[in-house]
Amino acid sequence: QVRLVESGGDLVKPGGSLRLSCAASGFSFSDYFMTWIRQAPGKGMEWISYISGDSSTIYHADSVKGRFSISRDNAKNSVYLQMNSLRAEDTAIYYCTTVSSSSIDYWGQGTLVTVSS
Amino acid sequence: DVVLTQSPLSLPVTLGQPASVSCRSSQSLVHSNGNTFLSWFQQRPGQSPRRLIYRVSNRDSGVPDRFSGSGSGTDFTLKISRVEAEDVGVYFCMQGTHWPQLTFGGGTKVEIK
Repeated sequence: QVRLVESGGDLVKPGGSLRLSCAASGFSFSDYFMTWIRQAPGKGMEWISYISGDSSTIYHADSVKGRFSISRDNAKNSVYLQMNSLRAEDTAIYYCTTVSSSSIDYWGQGTLVTVSS
Repeated sequence: DVVLTQSPLSLPVTLGQPASVSCRSSQSLVHSNGNTFLSWFQQRPGQSPRRLIYRVSNRDSGVPDRFSGSGSGTDFTLKISRVEAEDVGVYFCMQGTHWPQLTFGGGTKVEIK
């Protein structure tokens, strides 16, 4: 079955960097758009970034544009989120998800990023 | 940006009774291809979200038939015909029509009275 396992979340100081990883299995990874979604404490879901199967199409939300970068390695069935210039408001659980037909099919278990001095 | 407004924020329900969650969009969710990309998700306490409904009314595999979705244009509803204890959690809608901006409703917490 589909499995998405995020890793890399940590406590980091404002202005710091972090790289999240998501290992996928159970489906034809290179055929799928992938996204990162986050949920700040007590808040709703926020779409952050997504990437097409061949990496030719990438979008980032305005809130992270210029600071975050999504990438993927289809040979490793993995998608990544490089996060730079982190701010307190980036504190959230970050989920990796699959996308098909303009909807999210599957979610990982999430990884917690805390930005605090 | 498209804004999805859910109501109510909290929904106490008696076991076996129906429940209904509303999701209203600031813009029509009808895509130029005729489809309406409105999905519903369930997030049980301590778990990741799980999709229940896609394209307004299509139930995902394994989702009990007590869950149903309806609506059109800007107004959508998720209904649970008879609430069970395992249905406790937060329910939220999501639109994918206005790609690349995916947006989510704020969530409705369903709890047992």
